[in-house]
Amino acid sequence: GIQVEQSPPDLILQEGANSTLRCNFSDSVNNLQWFHQNPWGQLINLFYIPSGTKQNGRLSATTVATERYSLLYISSSQTTDSGVYFCAVVVDNNDMRFGAGTRLTVKP
Amino acid sequence: DAGVIQSPRHEVTEMGQEVTLRCKPISGHDYLFWYRQTMMRGLELLIYFNNNVPIDDSGMPEDRFSAKMPNASFSTLKIQPSEPRDSAVYFCASSLAGGGDEQFFGPGTRLTVL
Repeated sequence: GIQVEQSPPDLILQEGANSTLRCNFSDSVNNLQWFHQNPWGQLINLFYIPSGTKQNGRLSATTVATERYSLLYISSSQTTDSGVYFCAVVVDNNDMRFGAGTRLTVKP
Repeated sequence: DAGVIQSPRHEVTEMGQEVTLRCKPISGHDYLFWYRQTMMRGLELLIYFNNNVPIDDSGMPEDRFSAKMPNASFSTLKIQPSEPRDSAVYFCASSLAGGGDEQFFGPGTRLTVL
């Protein structure tokens, strides 16, 4: 089956810093989503981005489908950005496969 | 819209007991998904429904697990009998269409089996 690899596994930032999270996948995908799992465990939709670039406030994402990777950019990080960021993909059916996540800690 | 609703949010039970988790998808969404999140295996799909019909249950771990969707606004995931290794967070998600359409997740049910 498809492999989804996220890097780095852990990231510690000072408030105000910028960061880039990466997601590599091993096959063509119909869907790619980025989620933020907050400290309360809720999965928050960040981006639905099977290809192209999107921006939402301090966050933006780019997926290069032909090269099988996606990037999530966080600018001017805040303590509330802490949590785990997941990349998830769907191939032919509706089976969504998640990466292992990047655990982000933003220190004040 | 209220989003995907799950209940209960937390469940603590003893080994051998029956557990029922509930989900209300976003109104108008035709697809409903059940996922489980554990430290060892991460997030994995258990089963999904299209128009209330189970389509793929290959992720259901064993016969102790069953899921139903009696109507478009309600689904249950049942574990009978429960075991300590079933302890996990169970998420329900829904999407408007299939084929990779955007999925929206509920808040999850944290299940602890003692």
